Amino acid sequence: AQKITQTQPGMFVQEKEAVTLDCTYDTSDPSYGLFWYKQPSSGEMIFLIYQGSYDQQNATEGRYSLNFQKARKSANLVISASQLGDSAMYFCAMREVNQAGTALIFGKGTTLSVSS
Amino acid sequence: DAGITQSPRHKVTETGTPVTLRCHQTENHRYMYWYRQDPGHGLRLIHYSYGVKDTDKGEVSDGYSVSRSKTEDFLLTLESATSSQTSVYFCAISESWNTEAFFGQGTRLTVV
Repeated sequence: AQKITQTQPGMFVQEKEAVTLDCTYDTSDPSYGLFWYKQPSSGEMIFLIYQGSYDQQNATEGRYSLNFQKARKSANLVISASQLGDSAMYFCAMREVNQAGTALIFGKGTTLSVSS
Repeated sequence: DAGITQSPRHKVTETGTPVTLRCHQTENHRYMYWYRQDPGHGLRLIHYSYGVKDTDKGEVSDGYSVSRSKTEDFLLTLESATSSQTSVYFCAISESWNTEAFFGQGTRLTVV
């Protein structure tokens, strides 16, 4: 079973609009971390935001915020005021802490296209 | 930028030959990871390491082996390359479980 599910293969938004990228996860470990990364067409992986399972507040980093709903096991990325430069692939990832390895597992990604 | 370097950046090899990719870090981070990226599959974990000589398998480990004899280097070996291993390979490092992972630039491997 997939541990990280991103159900939107592609999303389209206009400049200055807000957009939500969905991510659901599956874990029985009470301690885990959730991450979002951006991969532009140039190929590099850029870290955006982190949410710990025990964090009381939703994480925010500039125009990025993470809508963390623990009971629903969802960690959606919200990008406010989209810009053309936000066009990229976005990946959700999770790391569990219940074992020494703490593998970092990624979803399949969502391609975001921002138009003017 | 985090000090992480992958080599080579590009490689073309023949089916059946062994191939080794190198990931080198200067950050002294504990965790190191190897992923492959293919269209429609996102990043899939091949192997990872949580310390020197401590490694574990990921979801797509068949046909791959790894070694980490010192903190700064994590080697990925394709024992006998196949066309299905044509992919872009990424190495990543992280300091702890609740900190972000930093990625290398990627290695584009083509098996012909």
